Formats: sequence, structure tokens, C-alpha cells
Amino acid sequence: GESVGLHLPTLSVQEGDNSIINCAYSNSASDYFIWYKQESGKGPQFIIDIRSNMDKRQGQRVTVLLNKTVKHLSLQIAATQPGDSAVYFCAENPPSGGYNKLIFGAGTRLAVHP
Amino acid sequence: GAVVSQHPSRVICKSGTSVKIECRSLDFQATTMFWYRQFPKQSLMLMATSNEGSKATYEQGVEKDKFLINHASLTLSTLTVTSAHPEDSSFYICSAAGTSGEQYFGPGTRLTVT
Repeated sequence: GESVGLHLPTLSVQEGDNSIINCAYSNSASDYFIWYKQESGKGPQFIIDIRSNMDKRQGQRVTVLLNKTVKHLSLQIAATQPGDSAVYFCAENPPSGGYNKLIFGAGTRLAVHP
Repeated sequence: GAVVSQHPSRVICKSGTSVKIECRSLDFQATTMFWYRQFPKQSLMLMATSNEGSKATYEQGVEKDKFLINHASLTLSTLTVTSAHPEDSSFYICSAAGTSGEQYFGPGTRLTVT
């Protein structure tokens, strides 16, 4: 079935370093992808999104890269800060009728050390 | 930005009882609302999708008679867990989507069934 997976379940980085979180998706027809940040006991928070007609999109300190050839998505966080510590999920929007369904990946916990 | 609230944030109920969780879009009209369940250290799993004024669409494996969803208005959806059991203890998260299709997530409801 459809699935979105992550290569690394946990990632530890030093404060100030850059972080890269990876995600693999299985549905080549998916046309929209989102990265979410979830802090403990809270709902997911939108970080950045990208459509399939793009291969890179930049936000404030974050960049999402999309490689449709290998069905791979990554989130880059520049100058990682302690406040970036959270679980990060990629989500995939496969083609569907009637509503924008999201399929979430397993998540990567990012731990930022001072 | 769009704000989605959930009530209650935490609830403890006894096994066999029912509990209702509310999801509200505070500053926009949500044509579609989604309900997710998240077990500890796991990803969000979509339970069902509801459109205002129509019956919810449940994902495979989710019992519609156990998880009753009502979407009576464009700003309110409710999830009722009927005859709750300890295995229903989880973090329930809703999201609301307006005409753009972008989902905005609520803060979640922690359900503990004793």
C-alpha cells in the first residue's frame, strides 16, 4: 500500500550545525508534500511544502528538496537551534478524489545539543 | 493564520463509557475536517475524513460505529469514542481544511481510558 518512510528515526546535532532530515515516499503520482514539526504533546505545525513541479523550495532557515526520480524528500534546517528539537514528519498527498488526504511518514526526532 | 482548537485537551474516562472530542476552526470555514490518532512515538494515522453535512469516510480498519464523527457545521466536527477501552487511549488530533485544501491542525486531545 501507500507509505511514506524515513531513513533515520533519530538525529542528534550540535547547536549551530545544519540538519538534514530525509524521507522516502512510495507513490510516484503524489503531487504535494509537506514537512511538519511536532513538539511533545502538541499538534503538528506546518513548516514548508513543495509541489511536484518544483525540486527545491526555501523558507526561513529551512529548505525542502524533492527528487522525484528516486522519490525522495529532504528537509534542511540551517543553523539548528535548541528550539528546533522536535519530531519532524513528512506528509504526502497522493491523488485522491474529494479531499486532500495526507499520509504521514514515521517521523524523525531531532535532538539539538548545546 | 488559521486556528484550530480542540476540546478537551485531556480527558480520562472509565472503560465502557463514551467520550466526545470537539474540533473547531476558529477563524475560517472548514469544508473538510480530518481525524487522526497517534500512539506514543508513532506517526499520525488518519482515521476518517468528514465533510460538512455528509457522512464521514473512514479509513480501512477504523470502526465507524465505535468512532462516531459528526460535522454539523463548517466550524465544528466532533469525534465520539463509544464504549471506550484502554486500547483506545491515544492522542487524537483533528485538522481542518478550507477551500485551499491546506490542513490546519488542532493541538490534540490526550485520551486515557482506565
